[in-house]
Amino acid sequence: DTGVSQNPRHKITKRGQNVTFRCDPISEHNRLYWYRQTLGQGPEFLTYFQNEAQLEKSRLLSDRFSAERPKGSFSTLEIQRTEQGDSAMYLCASRRPGTANTGELFFGEGSRLTVL
Amino acid sequence: AQRVTQPEKLLSVFKGAPVELKCNYSYSGSPELFWYVQYSRQRLQLLLRHISRESIKGFTADLNKGETSFHLKKPFAQEEDSAMYYCALLTGTASKLTFGTGTRLQVTL
Repeated sequence: DTGVSQNPRHKITKRGQNVTFRCDPISEHNRLYWYRQTLGQGPEFLTYFQNEAQLEKSRLLSDRFSAERPKGSFSTLEIQRTEQGDSAMYLCASRRPGTANTGELFFGEGSRLTVL
Repeated sequence: AQRVTQPEKLLSVFKGAPVELKCNYSYSGSPELFWYVQYSRQRLQLLLRHISRESIKGFTADLNKGETSFHLKKPFAQEEDSAMYYCALLTGTASKLTFGTGTRLQVTL
């Protein structure tokens, strides 16, 4: 499968623990996005990378959240001191250069986080 | 601030009946709108974009700037259309998508 890959697919953790999610975009895609989706809601934008540069962060991304894309390939999203409100599906998406106006993002299957 | 509203959480129709999934938006700029679909156990994927004025799987959507709407329509629903549908607005320098809350379409026999 050459699509966007995310892992782990599911993570159950206790409140206060740290978790990290990984996203491997499609290889030629230099733009990478993280979204969060809670029950009954659509995906909400968290942050965006162009190559290794993090160019935009949502106000939803509190200080406990950090995202990196060190070599412009895979990305990680870390949540420190998790809270129950962090329970959600975390979606990664990527797109090719020159496709900004097409609106076409390629999504991964998501990483579901449950904080007990 | 931009907003996308999908007023129906669930739309249930019979096979062969017409479908209309509603989407309204609020945006100060020139809107670019899209419909995304998520079939059961599959990834979220692009269905169609307003700028292409295309018909995909029998679905069409017309941008009505006067009513700030972008409703998704299909004349005859099929069982395989059952899925979650999200309307999305493209905004900002990051070309990020703002999604609505989604409508689940259920097509029954």
